[in-house]
Amino acid sequence: GAVVSQHPSRVICKSGTSVKIECRSLDFQATTMFWYRQFPKKSLMLMATSNEGSKATYEQGVEKDKFLINHASLTLSTLTVTSAHPEDSSFYICSARVRGRSNEQFFGPGTRLTVL
Amino acid sequence: AQSVTQPDIHITVSEGASLELRCNYSYGATPYLFWYVQSPGQGLQLLLKYFSGDTLVQGIKGFEAEFKRSQSSFNLRKPSVHWSDAAEYFCAVASAGGTSYGKLTFGQGTILTVHP
Repeated sequence: GAVVSQHPSRVICKSGTSVKIECRSLDFQATTMFWYRQFPKKSLMLMATSNEGSKATYEQGVEKDKFLINHASLTLSTLTVTSAHPEDSSFYICSARVRGRSNEQFFGPGTRLTVL
Repeated sequence: AQSVTQPDIHITVSEGASLELRCNYSYGATPYLFWYVQSPGQGLQLLLKYFSGDTLVQGIKGFEAEFKRSQSSFNLRKPSVHWSDAAEYFCAVASAGGTSYGKLTFGQGTILTVHP
């Protein structure tokens, strides 16, 4: 149980376009989902916390208008990278917190974004 | 603010040898502590966690970790390493309360190489 999926696993896009990444909890309800960014050979940096039905809370330094997060249901959160630039190229990972087990997060497999 | 330090960026061991990965944390109260493993291009898999109780916790794949409050440490150990253990390992701490409840802060990661 507690499986989190992400789609797509890899995406390549041109500068200036927008890319949407989906994060789904497959077998549980996720009250909260988190979005992380991981640079090559670096640790994970929390970008934002997404609660179902409410606005996301962004970490300091993360541009809200550039990284749009929507958490429309208890099983789906989306991250849209708007007007992508090459410096947005990174590995994006989501995680979901299980309703009733609020101390644990389960991670998706990640999405590799390359902006040309 | 909470923080995690993994002093060793890269560790190399021989297959069958014992392993210890170091993790030191900074947190004002009793933390929630985690060890995750990440294979290249993949998401994170939870190895083990500590919330309370017995300070020696057992995880998957033969890993264990010991919480030492006096040393602010949560080192990961394995008595005999297998070649398949080669990966990157992340220690993380989560807030047990307050406005940052449940947010994970990761260490820098330790890359484990296993020689045959």
